[in-house]
Amino acid sequence: GAVVSQHPSRVICKSGTSVKIECRSLDFQATTMFWYRQFPKQSLMLMATSNEGSKATYEQGVEKDKFLINHASLTLSTLTVTSAHPEDSSFYICSASPPIVDTQYFGPGTRLTVL
Amino acid sequence: GNSVTQMEGPVTLSEEAFLTINCTYTATGYPSLFWYVQYPGEGLQLLLKATKADDKGSNKGFEATYRKETTSFHLEKGSVQVSDSAVYFCALQNTGANSKLTFGKGITLSVRP
Repeated sequence: GAVVSQHPSRVICKSGTSVKIECRSLDFQATTMFWYRQFPKQSLMLMATSNEGSKATYEQGVEKDKFLINHASLTLSTLTVTSAHPEDSSFYICSASPPIVDTQYFGPGTRLTVL
Repeated sequence: GNSVTQMEGPVTLSEEAFLTINCTYTATGYPSLFWYVQYPGEGLQLLLKATKADDKGSNKGFEATYRKETTSFHLEKGSVQVSDSAVYFCALQNTGANSKLTFGKGITLSVRP
């Protein structure tokens, strides 16, 4: 149980284009999902907390207009990297928690490469 | 604010060696503590957790004890295997569902045959 999927697993795009990454909880409902960014050989940096039916809460220093988050249902959150640039290349990971449970379950991650 | 400090890596061990990975934390209140593992090319998986002082989390031969007096949550395994090669992250979370996780920098473990 508690499986989280992400799609796509890898994406390569040209500079200036937008990329959408999906995060789904497959066997539970998640009122809250989290989006992280991981640089090579570094820890995970929390970008934002995604709440179903309301606006995401962004961490300090994360541009909300560049990283658009939508949590349209209890099993789906999307992260859209708008007008991507090479410095946005990274590993993006989402996580989700079932209601009233304090354990986060992580997706397998999405490797974004911006040329 | 919350912070997690892990020992510097990487760590290279021979198969069947004893493993200790240090983790200390700073937090307000009484956080839950976690160890996550990330295998090459994959996302994070929960390895074990402890929710209160003196609790011991264990899984797959790994153990960690929540030490409030030393604010530590060191990860140990008596006999590592090649398949344990991965990146290990210590993390804390304040109480309350859907609270944020704060991660340490992670440490890479390589186990050679």
